[in-house]
Amino acid sequence: QVRLVQSGAELKRPGASVKISCKTSGYMFNNYVLHWVRQAPGQRPEWMGWISGISGKTQYAQQFQGRVTFTRDTSVRDTSAATVYMDLNSLSLEDTAVYYCARATTWLPLDVWGQGTLVTVSS
Amino acid sequence: EILLTQSPGTLSLSPGERATLSCKASRSVMSDYLAWFQQKTGQAPRLLIYGASRRATGIPDRFTGSGSGTDFTLTISGVEAEDFATYYCQHYAGAPWSFGGGTKVEI
Repeated sequence: QVRLVQSGAELKRPGASVKISCKTSGYMFNNYVLHWVRQAPGQRPEWMGWISGISGKTQYAQQFQGRVTFTRDTSVRDTSAATVYMDLNSLSLEDTAVYYCARATTWLPLDVWGQGTLVTVSS
Repeated sequence: EILLTQSPGTLSLSPGERATLSCKASRSVMSDYLAWFQQKTGQAPRLLIYGASRRATGIPDRFTGSGSGTDFTLTISGVEAEDFATYYCQHYAGAPWSFGGGTKVEI
C-alpha cells in the first residue's frame, strides 16, 4: 500500500524555523518526485516546490526561494522507503497553514498525499 | 505563471442533479496538463482527473473532465451525497504549478 505519513502538528514563534518530515512507503521512491503544497485556513492550496526521488534535485516556488529547503533520506536496502523533509525558516503569522507532501510524475500529478501537518505561527 | 479562475464560486444542488464546474487558464495549458481535485473539510485533496480528461484510479465514472487550451470543465453527471465538497483545478505544465480558487458544491 502506498503511504505518505507526515510528522505531527507544530506551534512556532515568529522568526523561528520548522522542519516537517514525510515518510514514504509502498512504491519505488526513485520513480517519483515529491511535492510540497500548503493551504492556509480557507484558502486555495499553494504549491511550494518539489524534490526528485532519484537525484535529490529541487525546485522551489519563487515566493519561498531562500527560505525553504527540501532534503531526502533514502534507505540503501529498501528502495521503497524514504523520508523527505521540508525546512521553512523566518516564519511569520502568514505561514500558518496545513503543509502537505504529495508524490507525482511528469504526467501524473499529486496522486497520493500525506495526511497534512498543521503549522501554527503565533506570538 | 498560469493563473486559474474557477466558476462558480459556489454551486447549490440537490442529489441526482448535474454539476458543471469551469476552470479558465490565463494562457494555454501545455499538453493539457490540467488536473481536478476534490477536498472535504479536514482532509487532503484527492486527485479525480488528470491530463484534462483521464480519471484517476478508483474514481467513479460520474466524474468527467473535458476541455483543452485555456478552458476546462469538470462534470458530475448525478451528484451523490458524498460528492458535496470543494473542487480545485490545478495545472502542472511547468513550474510554478498553481491551483484555482475552488468551487464549493453544496446541498
